[in-house]
Amino acid sequence: QKEVEQNSGPLSVPEGAIASLNCTYSDRGSQSFFWYRQYSGKSPELIMSIYSNGDKEDGRFTAQLNKASQYVSLLIRDSQPSDSATYLCAVNTGFQKLVFGTGTRLLVSP
Amino acid sequence: GAGVSQSPSNKVTEKGKDVELRCDPISGHTALYWYRQRLGQGLEFLIYFQGNSAPDKSGLPSDRFSAERTGESVSTLTIQRTQQEDSAVYLCASSRLAGVPETQYFGPGTRLLVL
Repeated sequence: QKEVEQNSGPLSVPEGAIASLNCTYSDRGSQSFFWYRQYSGKSPELIMSIYSNGDKEDGRFTAQLNKASQYVSLLIRDSQPSDSATYLCAVNTGFQKLVFGTGTRLLVSP
Repeated sequence: GAGVSQSPSNKVTEKGKDVELRCDPISGHTALYWYRQRLGQGLEFLIYFQGNSAPDKSGLPSDRFSAERTGESVSTLTIQRTQQEDSAVYLCASSRLAGVPETQYFGPGTRLLVL
């Protein structure tokens, strides 16, 4: 079992819709969780971080964490074509390094 | 302020040659990480430095790979006797303080192609 799992996609949504990206992790001791966005040919950039159970909102982005079920999700409201990218889930297991999922490719069509 | 910088941005080499990749972290960041990303794949952890502590080398794929960092400054990743499977983007990241949930900031990467 991979430590951090994501559906590779692509996830296709129309412009203006809500995109829902999911991630599960195996280590119950994981302490902090991150969503990175990576455009093709570019390096990852941080979108959201979340440390406590529940929701965290930042503009059109909402991160959701459920430690009991070991999943973290990212919702993108009012999706735009510019949101088309690969979204990487990363988990800090407490051993001072991030474990990344393989990413979900999101396609937002105009 | 300046972000993480890496050089060269692209490197083409012949199989069997050695290559050296460089990373300049954000000033004041104590932790530095190297990752490898093959085409269409996720990020693969290679090595982690924190201050003057012994590095975590658990992700290095073979003894052909090594990395150095002096204090909290520049790091170099060296790949000896390169193989075609070493072709990938090598990403460096730094964070302000490891050991607490701190954000990693990535450099633009070095694209390595081994012919």
